[in-house]
Amino acid sequence: RKEVEQDPGPFNVPEGATVAFNCTYSNSASQSFFWYRQDCRKEPKLLMSVYSSGNEDGRFTAQLNRASQYISLLIRDSKLSDSATYLCVVNSAGYSTLTFGKGTMLLVSP
Amino acid sequence: NAGVTQTPKFQVLKTGQSMTLQCAQDMNHEYMSWYRQDPGMGLRLIHYSVGAGITDQGEVPNGYNVSRSTTEDFPLRLLSAAPSQTSVYFCASRRGKTYEQYFGPGTRLTVT
Repeated sequence: RKEVEQDPGPFNVPEGATVAFNCTYSNSASQSFFWYRQDCRKEPKLLMSVYSSGNEDGRFTAQLNRASQYISLLIRDSKLSDSATYLCVVNSAGYSTLTFGKGTMLLVSP
Repeated sequence: NAGVTQTPKFQVLKTGQSMTLQCAQDMNHEYMSWYRQDPGMGLRLIHYSVGAGITDQGEVPNGYNVSRSTTEDFPLRLLSAAPSQTSVYFCASRRGKTYEQYFGPGTRLTVT
């Protein structure tokens, strides 16, 4: 089983839609979790950290389910500018490196 | 606040040439890493460092060397460039093991 798995997409949604991505991780001892956004030919940028109790930042909501070992990202009222690849990132206990998923591509159309 | 900076932005090398990709951060972060990103492969870790004087190999270290003489700088050296090293290279830094990571703008390298 891959360490961090994401559906590559693309997810094609109209403006204003709600879209959700899931990401599963294999190491049950993972400690910290993040969602990053990467625009075409640009560097990944932190979108939000994911906390155990779940957290929200404007139109974005992240949740963590430790029992099932997945994290999710919900985007409400999608904008054209949300079109990007969303990377799931996990830090595992005992390891000094972060593990990146391959990303889920989102395309928002007018 | 510059964050993570990388030079050069673009580079073309001939097979067999060597070069150093520069990376610097001004956030006093302990951890620094080098990744390469190829289509369909995601980000792959080349080398990383958890502090000045300490480096370790990542997933794809062959053909690359690193050093970390200061907290700020983490150069990546290509020893003898090969076409398989054509890629986009990202440097990144973070404060500690469980903290978020910040990336530089990348270096686009082509080896002919």
